[in-house]
Amino acid sequence: TQLLEQSPQFLSIQEGENLTVYCNSSSVFSSLQWYRQEPGEGPVLLVTVVTGGEVKKLKRLTFPFGDARKDSSLHITAAQPGDTGLYLCAGAWGSARQLTFGSGTQLTVLP
Amino acid sequence: NAGVMQNPRHLVRRRGQEARLRCSPMKGHSHVYWYRQLPEEGLKFMVYLQKENIIDESGMPKERFSAEFPKEGPSILRIQQVVRGDSAAYFCASSPVAGQGNYGYTFGSGTRLTVV
Repeated sequence: TQLLEQSPQFLSIQEGENLTVYCNSSSVFSSLQWYRQEPGEGPVLLVTVVTGGEVKKLKRLTFPFGDARKDSSLHITAAQPGDTGLYLCAGAWGSARQLTFGSGTQLTVLP
Repeated sequence: NAGVMQNPRHLVRRRGQEARLRCSPMKGHSHVYWYRQLPEEGLKFMVYLQKENIIDESGMPKERFSAEFPKEGPSILRIQQVVRGDSAAYFCASSPVAGQGNYGYTFGSGTRLTVV
């Protein structure tokens, strides 16, 4: 069973600050995705990264994928209270056809 | 376009009863995945199905749990003789092609099962 480590588990910051969430594995990902989940709802896909070294951007969110395709991060610039939520990374390895999710990072942005 | 539809949203069962959770994938999606989530935790894979076939059930307990995705109708996750430890949120996701590819999953809003 492949392991996917996500950190930190909890993050509480003030509005306007920057933050980074980390996701890594000891094995090479075939693809990695980031999701955001609101209370009482299912996860919503933010971005998929596939190519080592690529950096995807979504407004104030940046998602670099490591050259070796074993790690990724989520960086939020100037966080806003609306960014509050559970952020999940999910990856697949080799020919696996289902995603393995990290344990999640519960982000709280205080006004 | 309707997304992934799950029902019921909330389900309360007494210990020993059966729970049936339904999932209708997005139109055009023939691949369905079931995940379980405990409070403040990530999602744990249970089973992956295509129409009329179980592709991977490695994450599903061997006893009491079963899943199907018939040719017609929604996918069903069935839990027999529920116990308190089955209380969780159960999410269904669908995708248009085999595996996650570049498409990602579209999730439903989940079914919150409470066993009393």
